[in-house]
Amino acid sequence: EVQLVESGGALVKPGGSLRLSCAASGLTLTDAWMNWVRQAPGKGLEWLGRIQSETDGGTTDYAASVKGRFTISRDDSQNTVYLQMNSLKTEDTGIYFCWGGIDYWGQGTLVAVSS
Amino acid sequence: QTVVTQEPSFSVSPGGTVTLTCGLSSGSVSTGHYASWHQQTPGQAPRTLIRGTRTRSNGVPDRFSGSILGNQAALTITGAQADDESDYYCALFFSGIWVFGGGTKLTVL
Repeated sequence: EVQLVESGGALVKPGGSLRLSCAASGLTLTDAWMNWVRQAPGKGLEWLGRIQSETDGGTTDYAASVKGRFTISRDDSQNTVYLQMNSLKTEDTGIYFCWGGIDYWGQGTLVAVSS
Repeated sequence: QTVVTQEPSFSVSPGGTVTLTCGLSSGSVSTGHYASWHQQTPGQAPRTLIRGTRTRSNGVPDRFSGSILGNQAALTITGAQADDESDYYCALFFSGIWVFGGGTKLTVL
């Protein structure tokens, strides 16, 4: 059974930074394209970015709304994907989901950006 | 800017059939967009129903089906059940990035 478990969500002040983790079991991340998706309170899903599988080159792409502020990386030894978030804004508040291989979702982790 | 469109809301009677659509503000949806469909109930994580336009994810009942209808992707639910009442999101793939639609709130009554 595949499980994706996010962690690292917290309350942070505007301008601050945070790193989220997505630990996978039952799924080898070197073989999977991994995405981060967020959901603002009461709103829909917003794709943030993805990292390709290692076998496909491991490159990253980002949504315009977070490009230059957010960075996705992967630690294959830990089978974990990360989302580094810098220069956080109040509008970055929401639940952040890890979405892997198209079929698999984590339970989400809450990020609140507020002074 | 690519905008993926979905009906904001839809209703279906128990046992009925409903088709939700996923289109583009400009242009047509094709199999090359690898449309995926995701179901989300309040307070829960999304669940993938359909990937690659028409392939059901593991454990998804066959009353959920995906297709291309005209210039849109479509999700058809046949024999709707009460626990199908959820938000449904489509996502389309564009040259390496995904774009989600705004979601359709499905009511079963």
